[in-house]
Amino acid sequence: KAGVTQTPRYLIKTRGQQVTLSCSPISGHRSVSWYQQTPGQGLQFLFEYFSETQRNKGNFPGRFSGRQFSNSRSEMNVSTLELGDSALYLCASSLESSGANVLTFGAGSRLTVL
Amino acid sequence: SQQGEEDPQALSIQEGENATMNCSYKTSINNLQWYRQNSGRGLVHLILIRSNEREKHSGRLRVTLDTSKKSSSLLITASRAADTASYFCATDPPMFSGGYNKLIFGAGTRLAVHP
Repeated sequence: KAGVTQTPRYLIKTRGQQVTLSCSPISGHRSVSWYQQTPGQGLQFLFEYFSETQRNKGNFPGRFSGRQFSNSRSEMNVSTLELGDSALYLCASSLESSGANVLTFGAGSRLTVL
Repeated sequence: SQQGEEDPQALSIQEGENATMNCSYKTSINNLQWYRQNSGRGLVHLILIRSNEREKHSGRLRVTLDTSKKSSSLLITASRAADTASYFCATDPPMFSGGYNKLIFGAGTRLAVHP
């Protein structure tokens, strides 16, 4: 059973550019959530999608957006990049059973903004 | 903002010793989970304990939960060099607070196990 796949694994952008990150969840998982991890702020929840609907959103500016497709694959976009957006972006999928949200994470996309 | 706070921030032990990490949280929860992260990689789920449970075991892992004190501990027994990683607790808020898969992670404990 394939795990959660995130692409690209590493990328370097400059301030003002935009970036799109992709996540393919485990087959059968309909919930996809995104987290940002930085040394200073730790793991911060970005948003969560289920059946193409955003059900929950963290406290991030509108420059951060996402979507989910009918096959459960998800993308997140960050526009007008700032230096502080440099982080490891983690995607996780969940089967959602018995009310226990156990997340399976991908390896992450490491974004460096110069 | 993070709900959980882990203690200690870093822990260094020898192989064969036990490692104990603690987590405190602030609001009500459905369950509490522990995850492990190897250097800059994705997180791996270790164990989940529900709010109505007090203790749970999985292999060399033992987790306790005290909802009255809003705290949990993770014990790794007979540690190995391969246990070297960061360990995070994550709380799962109740659905009525919009908690769909919105796990709230602590800052983590960096564990180093020396051969």
